[in-house]
Amino acid sequence: GIQVEQSPPDLILQEGANSTLRCNFSDSVNNLQWFHQNPWGQLINLFYIPSGTKQNGRLSATTVATERYSLLYISSSQTTDSGVYFCAVERKSNFGNEKLTFGTGTRLTIIP
Amino acid sequence: NAGVTQTPKFQVLKTGQSMTLQCAQDMNHNSMYWYRQDPGMGLRLIYYSASEGTTDKGEVPNGYNVSRLNKREFSLRLESAAPSQTSVYFCASSWVSDRPSNYGYTFGSGTRLTVV
Repeated sequence: GIQVEQSPPDLILQEGANSTLRCNFSDSVNNLQWFHQNPWGQLINLFYIPSGTKQNGRLSATTVATERYSLLYISSSQTTDSGVYFCAVERKSNFGNEKLTFGTGTRLTIIP
Repeated sequence: NAGVTQTPKFQVLKTGQSMTLQCAQDMNHNSMYWYRQDPGMGLRLIYYSASEGTTDKGEVPNGYNVSRLNKREFSLRLESAAPSQTSVYFCASSWVSDRPSNYGYTFGSGTRLTVV
């Protein structure tokens, strides 16, 4: 199946700092999602971004499909940004759409 | 409350016991999913249902069965629980829009299951 690698695995930052999280994937995809899992375990869908760039407040994401990677940018970090960020992809297939494959995540800790 | 509701939130089972995890969504989504999350790992798909009355296996279906009785509800059953099924289970539903092109997921709050 498709491989999804996220880096870095852990990131600790001071409040107010900016961060960039990376997701590499091993095959062409028709769906790429970014999720945030907060410290209480709740999963929130951040972006659907199989290609191009999107922004939502302090968060933005860019996917370069031809080079098989996506980046999630968090600006002016707040303690509420802490948690685990997952990238998940769905591979293009001649046999129909496969379902989401998740990376192992980046654990972000924002220190006040 | 709108969204995906999972019950129970916590459960302890003895090896060999059976149980059903319930999931319901009130957003009129067609597709629903069951995932498991183990420590230090991402989510792995157990089963999914693209529409009412249809179900398909995901990455890790062994030891589980599912039922999509109607559009709202998608249940996950463990017939004979094993310690390897100790995990956090998430139910989700998804939606797709064309204008603008968008695709989103809504997750339940999870069920923490321990099999002893």
